[in-house]
Amino acid sequence: EPEVTQTPSHQVTQMGQEVILRCVPISNHLYFYWYRQILGQKVEFLVSFYNNEISEKSEIFDDQFSVERPDGSNFTLKIRSTKLEDSAMYFCASRVRGLGEQYFGPGTRLTVT
Amino acid sequence: GQQVMQIPQYQHVQEGEDFTTYCNSSTTLSNIQWYKQRPGGHPVFLIQLVKSGEVKKQKRLTFQFGEAKKNSSLHITATQTTDVGTYFCAGSTGTASKLTFGTGTRLQVTL
Repeated sequence: EPEVTQTPSHQVTQMGQEVILRCVPISNHLYFYWYRQILGQKVEFLVSFYNNEISEKSEIFDDQFSVERPDGSNFTLKIRSTKLEDSAMYFCASRVRGLGEQYFGPGTRLTVT
Repeated sequence: GQQVMQIPQYQHVQEGEDFTTYCNSSTTLSNIQWYKQRPGGHPVFLIQLVKSGEVKKQKRLTFQFGEAKKNSSLHITATQTTDVGTYFCAGSTGTASKLTFGTGTRLQVTL
């Protein structure tokens, strides 16, 4: 069964450094998302992406964050200057059409020290 | 902004007992989805409800969407140890496709 993949599984970085989290959505999906989950808390929406542009973003997704789909398969989340509070599990998700099941990747655990 | 709350936060049951989690949204939803997250895992889709008053069943799981489309519930009959995990509801409003997740209910099942 097709699945969303994410790399790396764990990233440790120092405060102020840039990180890029990578995702490969399911190949025929058109809508892509990033969510984050601070340990033990709920899943929070960051951004949605469709037709090569951001369709929605949350208050968390400020100027330090950006997303890109550099080619036909990858979908990346960049954090320009990481803060301690960015430490969380970051999930990529995709879906075929605008409503319906979202398929989540296994996540990248980001630790900012 | 939209808030989605779930109760209880945590429930510990013995295998064979029933379990229910309740989900309440501060705003009317266009649809609600339910996800299960195993410890250390990622959210996995269980079901989507769209119509007011809709009830859907999946084996031992029963899902309901309230008449006002602001609340939902998940009921598990005769829990098993494989049901362990956190159950999240997640709602969408209007034509927005983003999901606003609930606070989650962590289920622990012991023999």
